[in-house]
Amino acid sequence: KQEVTQIPAALSVPEGENLVLNCSFTDSAIYNLQWFRQDPGKGLTSLLLIQSSQREQTSGRLNASLDKSSGRSTLYIAASQPGDSATYLCAVYMEYGNKLVFGAGTILRVKS
Amino acid sequence: NAGVTQTPKFRVLKTGQSMTLLCAQDMNHEYMYWYRQDPGMGLRLIHYSVGEGTTAKGEVPDGYNVSRLKKQNFLLGLESAAPSQTSVYFCASNRKIYSNQPQHFGDGTRLSIL
Repeated sequence: KQEVTQIPAALSVPEGENLVLNCSFTDSAIYNLQWFRQDPGKGLTSLLLIQSSQREQTSGRLNASLDKSSGRSTLYIAASQPGDSATYLCAVYMEYGNKLVFGAGTILRVKS
Repeated sequence: NAGVTQTPKFRVLKTGQSMTLLCAQDMNHEYMYWYRQDPGMGLRLIHYSVGEGTTAKGEVPDGYNVSRLKKQNFLLGLESAAPSQTSVYFCASNRKIYSNQPQHFGDGTRLSIL
């Protein structure tokens, strides 16, 4: 059974810092890995999707990497801003079963 | 662009009552999903549908039923609500299986069972 773990569970940083969120998964039979952002009381917004054959994806200040063989992904946020405060969720789309398996998320607070 | 719309946004029920959550998408997506999100846990898949008239069980299907009578709508039913079903429910949709496009999510339905 696939298990997705996100570390840390919560993170508080001052504005301007670069930061890394970690995601690990136990089963490497994944089709892709996705990072989502969730604001309080809202649904999930897709940030980055990395196909299993790719090593990284970038969007603006965000960079996500994937090491499928070791079961790890990181989300790097450069020059953090208070508007980045949210919960960040990692999810893997399995090669079988047509389903996303989610981690519990990292709650990020960026202080001004 | 409406995307995925969930109705209602909030609801309080008493134990034993029934209700239906509605999900509607306007993107002509084949695949639709119902998840629940509980504190300290990731989203867990309840049921999903790979097309009109089809449904399948996910990870936590007990106590829920679903129907997909129209391609754009996916209904989640609670026949006899229990306090353990207090949660935030999310609907999502996707164009096709094994797509490298992300799922689109609604804003959620917050359900409390007293």
